[in-house]
Amino acid sequence: AQKVTQAQTEISVVEKEDVTLDCVYETRDTTYYLFWYKQPPSGELVFLIRRNSFDEQNEISGRYSWNFQKSTSSFNFTITASQVVDSAVYFCALESPEAGNNRKLIWGLGTSLAVNP
Amino acid sequence: DGGITQSPKYLFRKEGQNVTLSCEQNLNHDAMYWYRQDPGQGLRLIYYSQIVNDFQKGDIAEGYSVSREKKESFPLTVTSAQKNPTAFYLCASRGSGFYEQYFGPGTRLTVT
Repeated sequence: AQKVTQAQTEISVVEKEDVTLDCVYETRDTTYYLFWYKQPPSGELVFLIRRNSFDEQNEISGRYSWNFQKSTSSFNFTITASQVVDSAVYFCALESPEAGNNRKLIWGLGTSLAVNP
Repeated sequence: DGGITQSPKYLFRKEGQNVTLSCEQNLNHDAMYWYRQDPGQGLRLIYYSQIVNDFQKGDIAEGYSVSREKKESFPLTVTSAQKNPTAFYLCASRGSGFYEQYFGPGTRLTVT
């Protein structure tokens, strides 16, 4: 069965701190895709990154970085030098053929990040 | 500007009334999705459509209906059969050959 677990429900940090959001997934497939989305208070989900299962290279985009480790089935997201604008709910999601040909996403429950000034 | 629009942003209805939520996209995407979001429950898939005139039930389709008569439009009707309709509803779309879904701003429905 497929599953995405974001164990951290809420995280609160002070501005400029680094913070890591954890994501652990389960799937029996060898080919799959992992995603991170950001949901600011306005409500619209914003796509951040997609990673396929064959690419374990870490990714960095400005203050954002992602660490994909197949050995531990994890796809963690780190924000360096956090800012108040990073306050949002962050979702991790999985798509794999196990879900069928309909290409549905399996979503984690999200981590609510509060960055305080 | 390409994107997904949902209207209205806030919607209020009396119990027992059907209500239709609008979702329009001008991204030329084939696939469209409707999600429901409740506090602490993440996103749950209601219906999705991979092509015009075809759609499939998601995980929580009971009490909802959809249509896909045009590529650009995927309206969702919340019927009186839906026991707990108050929620935040998000529409998304995905283009062929792409893996990520793109989301609209959402509609917050309150039924009293």
